[in-house]
Amino acid sequence: NAGVMQNPRHLVRRRGQEARLRCSPMKGHSHVYWYRQLPEEGLKFMVYLQKENIIDESGMPKERFSAEFPKEGPSILRIQQVVRGDSAAYFCASSPGGSKSYNEQFFGPGTRLTVL
Amino acid sequence: AQSVTQPDIHITVSEGASLELRCNYSYGATPYLFWYVQSPGQGLQLLLKYFSGDTLVQGIKGFEAEFKRSQSSFNLRKPSVHWSDAAEYFCAVVPTGGFKTIFGAGTRLFVKA
Repeated sequence: NAGVMQNPRHLVRRRGQEARLRCSPMKGHSHVYWYRQLPEEGLKFMVYLQKENIIDESGMPKERFSAEFPKEGPSILRIQQVVRGDSAAYFCASSPGGSKSYNEQFFGPGTRLTVL
Repeated sequence: AQSVTQPDIHITVSEGASLELRCNYSYGATPYLFWYVQSPGQGLQLLLKYFSGDTLVQGIKGFEAEFKRSQSSFNLRKPSVHWSDAAEYFCAVVPTGGFKTIFGAGTRLFVKA
């Protein structure tokens, strides 16, 4: 059973460009979470999605950031008009849902975004 | 406010010495508790977790952690550190019934020969 997959692993963008980060959850998982790790900091929650639904986006910046998890295909975190402050590692996690395992999230390897 | 505190930004220990990394949380009820390790430029690896039951939890790589309700702590320990343990360690909690993983700021471990 493959783990959580994220691609690309490294992404370089110039200021003003768009960044698209993809996350494929573990097989059988229908819940996806995105976290951001700024340099020298811990991870911060951004958004929680289930298939075709955003459940909680309280950690998402109000502008330029969006996330989706379509019925088919990976979850996408999209950052429009990137700025240098968006440079960070973005981690995706997935969980199967259900009461006991609901909180057990499995993390992907992360995408490291560098904005020039 | 709900928070996770790792009071030590970095710790240096000699190879073979024992290790304890501190973690305190502030939540009304006992949350689910986790320790992760992250090597430079890498993802997170789960070392161990506590949901309920025995308060002494065994993890991978010889790590263990003890949950102390009275102190709201979940300290990570290892009896004998290896050079390969040098990394960043994150304590994390998920409030019971919640879904957001709240991470501490991390403790960077340096191991000297």
